[in-house]
Amino acid sequence: RKEVEQDPGPFNVPEGATVAFNCTYSNSASQSFFWYRQDCRKEPKLLMSVYSSGNEDGRFTAQLNRASQYISLLIRDSKLSDSATYLCVVNSWRWDMRFGAGTRLTVKP
Amino acid sequence: DAGVIQSPRHEVTEMGQEVTLRCKPISGHDYLFWYRQTMMRGLELLIYFNNNVPIDDSGMPEDRFSAKMPNASFSTLKIQPSEPRDSAVYFCASRRGDRGRDPQFDEQFFGPGTRLTVL
Repeated sequence: RKEVEQDPGPFNVPEGATVAFNCTYSNSASQSFFWYRQDCRKEPKLLMSVYSSGNEDGRFTAQLNRASQYISLLIRDSKLSDSATYLCVVNSWRWDMRFGAGTRLTVKP
Repeated sequence: DAGVIQSPRHEVTEMGQEVTLRCKPISGHDYLFWYRQTMMRGLELLIYFNNNVPIDDSGMPEDRFSAKMPNASFSTLKIQPSEPRDSAVYFCASRRGDRGRDPQFDEQFFGPGTRLTVL
């Protein structure tokens, strides 16, 4: 089983749609969680950290479920500029940051 | 701040040649990471350093790969001899402080990557 697993997609949604991504991780001792965004042929960049209580940043909401060992990202009112690959990242004491393979999102007009 | 700097941005070489990738982390960052990204395998951690000391190199694929960090502002990843299956984008990333003490220290900043093609 991979340490961090994501649905690779692609997710093709119209502008204005709400889309959600899930990510599961195998190490129950994992400590911190993130979503990174990667545009085509660019480097990954931090989108948001994921806190235990859940957190929101504008149209983006991240949730953590430790019992089920998954994190989620919800994007509301999708914009064309949201088209990218979204990487789930998990960090623990045993191994440093481990990235999921990414979920590709395409927002269409 | 210039961010993480990598060179070269693109490298095309022939099988069997030595390849050296270079990275300059963000000043003041204690951690430096080397990643490899391919379509098939995604983003893989190869090795990381803390205060210039290699901490975990379990991701280095084989003895053909080596990494050094002679000082806080410079690191190299070397492949000798290179093979076509090494073709990938190699990213360097740096991070400020110890993970776990404060989540804000956990963000990694990536360089633009080196796109390596081995013919």
